[in-house]
Amino acid sequence: QVQLQQSGPGLVKPSETLSLTCTVSGGSISGYYWTWIRQPPGKGLEWIGYIYYSETTKYNPSLKSRVTISVDTSRYQFSLKVKSVTAADTAVYYCARGWGYSYGYDYWGQGTLVTVSS
Amino acid sequence: QSVLTQPPSVSGAPGQRVTISCTGDRSNIGAGYDVHWYQQLPGTAPKLLIYGSSSRPSGVPDRFSGSKSDTSASLAITGLQPEDEADYYCQSYDSSLIWVFGGGTKVTVL
Repeated sequence: QVQLQQSGPGLVKPSETLSLTCTVSGGSISGYYWTWIRQPPGKGLEWIGYIYYSETTKYNPSLKSRVTISVDTSRYQFSLKVKSVTAADTAVYYCARGWGYSYGYDYWGQGTLVTVSS
Repeated sequence: QSVLTQPPSVSGAPGQRVTISCTGDRSNIGAGYDVHWYQQLPGTAPKLLIYGSSSRPSGVPDRFSGSKSDTSASLAITGLQPEDEADYYCQSYDSSLIWVFGGGTKVTVL
């Protein structure tokens, strides 16, 4: 059974960098769109971006200049960095596994509430 | 303002049928991209309910069904159960090269 386990701090200061990691177990890390999605408190889902086959990344234009997604296949982990955070970046962040246009996200991490506050 | 438009809420009595609409345009659903649906129970991660517009993952009850036509899609729940009370989100791909979600619909079981 595939599992995605998220880790990272729940509190980040304004202007600093948010860093989260998602560890994949029970399945391959190759051939999927490893994705980050966030959900501000009480609001809907926002797609942040993905990494595919270690080389191809795609980001939401609204966040593109501040976001980096990377993968460490040897550790079965992929990571998210968001730099220069503000209070507007406060959200529950989810990692998820995608197959492509026709399949959606079939496995999700447990979610991490990241609060941006001094 | 979400790219895909959903009603904020729908409600129904146990056993009834409810539908949730998801309206896009010719850059996403109308461009032929599939629609996916997720169920989110309070305090939990979303769960894939429908993929490829009308397919159910293993383990999803067959009272959940999806359809797509032109620039919109629908999720139907037949035989509504108390445990179906949750938020539901649609998702599709947009020609601006990003994945987009609807704003979510809260289903209340009366």
